[in-house]
Amino acid sequence: DAMVIQNPRYQVTQFGKPVTLSCSQTLNHNVMYWYQQKSSQAPKLLFHYYDKDFNNEADTPDNFQSRRPNTSFCFLDIRSPGLGDAAMYLCATSRPGSKNIQYFGAGTRLSVL
Amino acid sequence: SQQGEEDPQALSIQEGENATMNCSYKTSINNLQWYRQNSGRGLVHLILIRSNEREKHSGRLRVTLDTSKKSSSLLITASRAADTASYFCATGEDAGGTSYGKLTFGQGTILTVHP
Repeated sequence: DAMVIQNPRYQVTQFGKPVTLSCSQTLNHNVMYWYQQKSSQAPKLLFHYYDKDFNNEADTPDNFQSRRPNTSFCFLDIRSPGLGDAAMYLCATSRPGSKNIQYFGAGTRLSVL
Repeated sequence: SQQGEEDPQALSIQEGENATMNCSYKTSINNLQWYRQNSGRGLVHLILIRSNEREKHSGRLRVTLDTSKKSSSLLITASRAADTASYFCATGEDAGGTSYGKLTFGQGTILTVHP
């Protein structure tokens, strides 16, 4: 089945140690999104790609960066994780012309020790 | 400021009862969507209603949209224990003719359905 896959499901890192989360999709969608979701809160958009065109949200900290080497893969890099970065990170995709219905992966739960 | 605000924040009902969740938003929208999130998982799209529609049904789901009041409601009829999840509304921005736009999610309603 076509889907959005996030790895790993759970990631533990140390304060200040860089970490990379990955997302892959078999939907061949042009748009990929990264969201941060803290407990009992709404998902917060960090950035998105339309193909290779990168779009950063104004309030996304510089500590967060992303790479999209091809249509299928997108990475979220956290350069120096702080305790406040512990959260669920969600990847989603959408296809232009589809009214922006988004398809989400299962998420990566990041813990920072 | 948060685009979508939902109420109630939490709802607890018995199996077989109906569950109603409400969402309010602030800006012009192209469409409004509802998503479901099981604990510790990603979001799953449930239903979309366009800004020129007033009501839409899908199975046990009924969504209404009142653009004059900038509000929407999601009704789940004959609820089941498996409906236990968080439910989020999301507004699709009026992207001014572009073919895609961002979603802004509400804070969500935590629904618990007791067997």
